[in-house]
Amino acid sequence: EPEVTQTPSHQVTQMGQEVILRCVPISNHLYFYWYRQILGQKVEFLVSFYNNEISEKSEIFDDQFSVERPDGSNFTLKIRSTKLEDSAMYFCASRSGLAGGDEQFFGPGTRLTVL
Amino acid sequence: GEDVEQSLFLSVREGDSSVINCTYTDSSSTYLYWYKQEPGAGLQLLTYIFSNMDMKQDQRLTVLLNKKDKHLSLRIADTQTGDSAIYFCAETPASGGSYIPTFGRGTSLIVHP
Repeated sequence: EPEVTQTPSHQVTQMGQEVILRCVPISNHLYFYWYRQILGQKVEFLVSFYNNEISEKSEIFDDQFSVERPDGSNFTLKIRSTKLEDSAMYFCASRSGLAGGDEQFFGPGTRLTVL
Repeated sequence: GEDVEQSLFLSVREGDSSVINCTYTDSSSTYLYWYKQEPGAGLQLLTYIFSNMDMKQDQRLTVLLNKKDKHLSLRIADTQTGDSAIYFCAETPASGGSYIPTFGRGTSLIVHP
């Protein structure tokens, strides 16, 4: 069964460093998303991406964040200069977008720890 | 903005029924969802209900929606140890065609023998 994959499963970085979180969405899906969950808090929407551009973003998704689909398979989230409060679980999701394809399929997440 | 609230923990004995509750604030919600997250895994969509429905049953799962009280519940019959996971309630708004769900904090279901 096709699934969304994410790498790495755990990333530890120093404050101020750049990190890139990688996702491989399901191959024929058209919509891609990033969410984060700070420990003990709610899953929060960050950004959605369609047709090679951001379609929607939340207040959390400031200039420190960027997303890219560098090739036909990967979807990345970059944090330019990490802060302690960026420590969270980051989930990628994809959605078909075709008729009847409303469900978002989530990856297992990347746990980011900023020291 | 929209808000979704759910209790954080539920402990049940194997074989009993589990009921996980959720309340939401957005009166225009269209879809209400239950996701399951097992350790080390992503969020798996378990079931969903349209806001014009009162109940949906799918094998051991029963979803009840009280739209007047903005209360959603998930009942798991004959709960098994494999049901131990975090269960997230979520909703999407009716307007704008947005498929971005607003999630609750998740309820940790612990099933003990």
